[in-house]
Amino acid sequence: SYELTQPPSVSVSPGQTASITCSGDKLGDKYACWYQQKPGQSPVLVIYLDTKRPSGIPERFSGTNSGNTATLTISGTQAMDEADYYCQAWDSSTVVFGGGTKLTVL
Amino acid sequence: QVQLQESGPGLVKPSGTLSLTCAVSGGSISSSNWWSWVRQPPGKGLEWIGEIYHSGSTNYNPSLKSRVTISVDKSKNQFSLKLSSVTAADTAVYFCARVEGGSTVKHYFDSWGQGTLVTVSS
Repeated sequence: SYELTQPPSVSVSPGQTASITCSGDKLGDKYACWYQQKPGQSPVLVIYLDTKRPSGIPERFSGTNSGNTATLTISGTQAMDEADYYCQAWDSSTVVFGGGTKLTVL
Repeated sequence: QVQLQESGPGLVKPSGTLSLTCAVSGGSISSSNWWSWVRQPPGKGLEWIGEIYHSGSTNYNPSLKSRVTISVDKSKNQFSLKLSSVTAADTAVYFCARVEGGSTVKHYFDSWGQGTLVTVSS
């Protein structure tokens, strides 16, 4: 079965750039998307089709996907960006989530 | 803007069947979207359960397939989840979500319900 691997945690200082990776076999041949989830809330889509931002998502969120790795980048990270982030892809009629990355802004 | 709302018992006995419904408002369940269930055990990550199209076509997580049934009720604009032979490991927040991109590599979830906690305990 297909697997996506994320680092359990990433730390960033306010105003700096945070990068969260998601690794999977030939992930670049698929599409990756990213969700932000704050405690007690539902996930929110922040990036879809590798690089697209839904309406209402700040421009500081961006995504790339190439080779075996998709990356979510948050530029000028703010305290409000502290959350869990999940990548997701589709493979053979199955939806796969990464294990999630806790982003700490300190 | 579409809204999704989960409903169902918050407590299910071990070996019983978990049953949840997701009511869709602000949009038609007969649109070109698929509709999905995702769960999240306390303190853990997201796990996809399965999805359905209004025609009745389904896709299920292979690890749950033997216990899962997802159905759609177009007259009520809702879809449902049944998970049989539950154990404590099935305790989780269950989310329903709308799928964009179809059952293809372009698949993503663009709208989510608020989630409902289901506890499996005697």
